[in-house]
Amino acid sequence: AQSVTQLDSHVSVSEGTPVLLRCNYSSSYSPSLFWYVQHPNKGLQLLLKYTSAATLVKGINGFEAEFKKSETSFHLTKPSAHMSDAAEYFCVVSLFGNEKLTFGTGTRLTIIP
Amino acid sequence: GAGVSQTPSNKVTEKGKYVELRCDPISGHTALYWYRQSLGQGPEFLIYFQGTGAADDSGLPNDRFFAVRPEGSVSTLKIQRTERGDSAVYLCASSPGLAVQETQYFGPGTRLLVL
Repeated sequence: AQSVTQLDSHVSVSEGTPVLLRCNYSSSYSPSLFWYVQHPNKGLQLLLKYTSAATLVKGINGFEAEFKKSETSFHLTKPSAHMSDAAEYFCVVSLFGNEKLTFGTGTRLTIIP
Repeated sequence: GAGVSQTPSNKVTEKGKYVELRCDPISGHTALYWYRQSLGQGPEFLIYFQGTGAADDSGLPNDRFFAVRPEGSVSTLKIQRTERGDSAVYLCASSPGLAVQETQYFGPGTRLLVL
C-alpha cells in the first residue's frame, strides 16, 4: 500500500518570500508522485509530477519539487510567493503510474500581503 | 478545448433517496476516475474505468454505490439509499490513458448534501 503525509496542515508566508510545503511518502515500490493545487471553487490542477526520470521536477507557476528516496520526501518549493498562490495543495502518490491516486490531507497556503 | 464536466454542480437530497451523478470526460480520454472529497480532507479514490469496464472498484465504500460507463465515454455514479455520511464533493477525472506520463484532468465536482 502507498500513502503520503503532508506535515503541515496550514502554511503562511509573506508575499515575495520562499514557499516550502512538506510531503513524505510511503510505498512498497518506486512510486509516481504528484502535487495538485485546488483554488477555491475550482477544480484540481496538476502542478508537477515525478515519474522516475529527473529527481528535480519543475512545474507550472514557478513551483518545483525534489524526489529524495533516502528521505522518502517530495517537498514542494517556490522561490517567491505570489498572492495568487493562495490555495490548498495536495501531495499525491500512485503506485502504478496513472491508475488510482492516493491524496494527502492537504496544506492550506496563505499569502500575507 | 472543453474540460471534464460534471452535472449537477450541487445536489440536495433526503436520507434514503437515490441519486445519480454524471461525468462527461474530455473527448477521446479512455480512462475515467471517480473520487470523493469530504470536508477538510483530500480526495479519496472510488473507482476507475478503462474504456467501458471498471478496472478497479476497490474504493467504493459499500454496495450502495455503483458506477457505469456503458459506451466508454460518459459515466454515471449511482448512490442508493443515501445516508448523511454520503455528503461530500464527488470528483470525476479523465486521462488519455493509463501510461505513467498521462495526466488526470479533474472536473469541478458535484457537491452532494444528504439531509
